Amino acid sequence: GAVVSQHPSRVICKSGTSVKIECRSLDFQATTMFWYRQFPKQSLMLMATSNEGSKATYEQGVEKDKFLINHASLTLSTLTVTSAHPEDSSFYICSADGDRRAPDTQYFGPGTRLTVL
Amino acid sequence: AQSVTQLGSHVSVSEGALVLLRCNYSSSVPPYLFWYVQYPNQGLQLLLKYTTGATLVKGINGFEAEFKKSETSFHLTKPSAHMSDAAEYFCAVILDYKLSFGAGTTVTVRA
Repeated sequence: GAVVSQHPSRVICKSGTSVKIECRSLDFQATTMFWYRQFPKQSLMLMATSNEGSKATYEQGVEKDKFLINHASLTLSTLTVTSAHPEDSSFYICSADGDRRAPDTQYFGPGTRLTVL
Repeated sequence: AQSVTQLGSHVSVSEGALVLLRCNYSSSVPPYLFWYVQYPNQGLQLLLKYTTGATLVKGINGFEAEFKKSETSFHLTKPSAHMSDAAEYFCAVILDYKLSFGAGTTVTVRA
């Protein structure tokens, strides 16, 4: 149980285009979803926290107009990187919390590798 | 405030040897502690967690960790390393309902 999926797993795009990444909780309803960014050989950096039906809460230094987060249902959250530039290239990972079988536990998706040319 | 410190960014062990990964936390309240493993180009997989109750926690893949309040530690161990244990390991603590991660420890296993 507690499976979280992400799509796509890998995306390459041209500078200036927008990219949408989906995060789904497959076997539980996620009250909260989190978006992280990970640079090579580094730990995870929390970008934002989203609750279903409300605006996301962004961490300090994360541009909310650059990284649009939508949490439309209890099983789906999306991250849109708008007007992507090479410096946005990174590994993006989502996680979901709310599985009643495991309170206070985040389950992570497999990640999305974004490369901006 | 709470945070975690992982001692040692890289640990190398021989196959069959003990794996010991160190994690210390700072917390003003009883902590919820986690260990996650990450294989290359993948997300994080929960190994084990401590919330309350028994201080020795058993997880998946033969790993276990012991919460020691007096030492503010939550070290991860596995009695016998396997080649498949080569990965990145993260210790984490709940802080304001969000996970705060340590810097990570890379484990390599020698044949």
